[in-house]
Amino acid sequence: SQQGEEDPQALSIQEGENATMNCSYKTSINNLQWYRQNSGRGLVHLILIRSNEREKHSGRLRVTLDTSKKSSSLLITASRAADTASYFCATDLSGAGSYQLTFGKGTKLSVIP
Amino acid sequence: GAVVSQHPSRVICKSGTSVKIECRSLDFQATTMFWYRQFPKQSLMLMATSNEGSKATYEQGVEKDKFLINHASLTLSTLTVTSAHPEDSSFYICSAGADSGGVYNEQFFGPGTRLTVL
Repeated sequence: SQQGEEDPQALSIQEGENATMNCSYKTSINNLQWYRQNSGRGLVHLILIRSNEREKHSGRLRVTLDTSKKSSSLLITASRAADTASYFCATDLSGAGSYQLTFGKGTKLSVIP
Repeated sequence: GAVVSQHPSRVICKSGTSVKIECRSLDFQATTMFWYRQFPKQSLMLMATSNEGSKATYEQGVEKDKFLINHASLTLSTLTVTSAHPEDSSFYICSAGADSGGVYNEQFFGPGTRLTVL
């Protein structure tokens, strides 16, 4: 079964607005990662947050992690049309060395120019 | 970041034929490679984990005799879809990780292979 569940499944916003996507998971994790996928393409790693971290920033991206609620959020600020893509969270359940990831169902983001 | 390539990027084949997909880590050695399948508008589903020089570990529900995985070197893993059928049509993505002695390393994903079985 899917470990990560993103919501919303689809999100449509105007350029310049912020986009927030959420991810929930069920078991303890080593770390949680967010990926981006343009239609029909491979995955691009965006950001990794470890289980002992609460917040992380990378450019216009902000990721939070709440291990007590088993949830994470990805915020994209000042969105651009080029941010249109599907975004997936992935959880690493194992300890170091295994690298096996379990992906959520994804949020399809559409940024309207 | 490290680069992972896949070949071919697209393949169309007739039902009953076998198709081989290659996954290469171009600038690092990958002790572990993963194969995922992604159906349209769905998430990635892990099919199998392959470690160099040993048999792949398949996820529940994935037929190992149908999806043959070979990880013969530290830079190459292949997935062969044997006797392909239309329901095998999907987007296949590989990823590669490097062993750094216990410290987490990012998985690097290939660009994917679109398989269409007629």
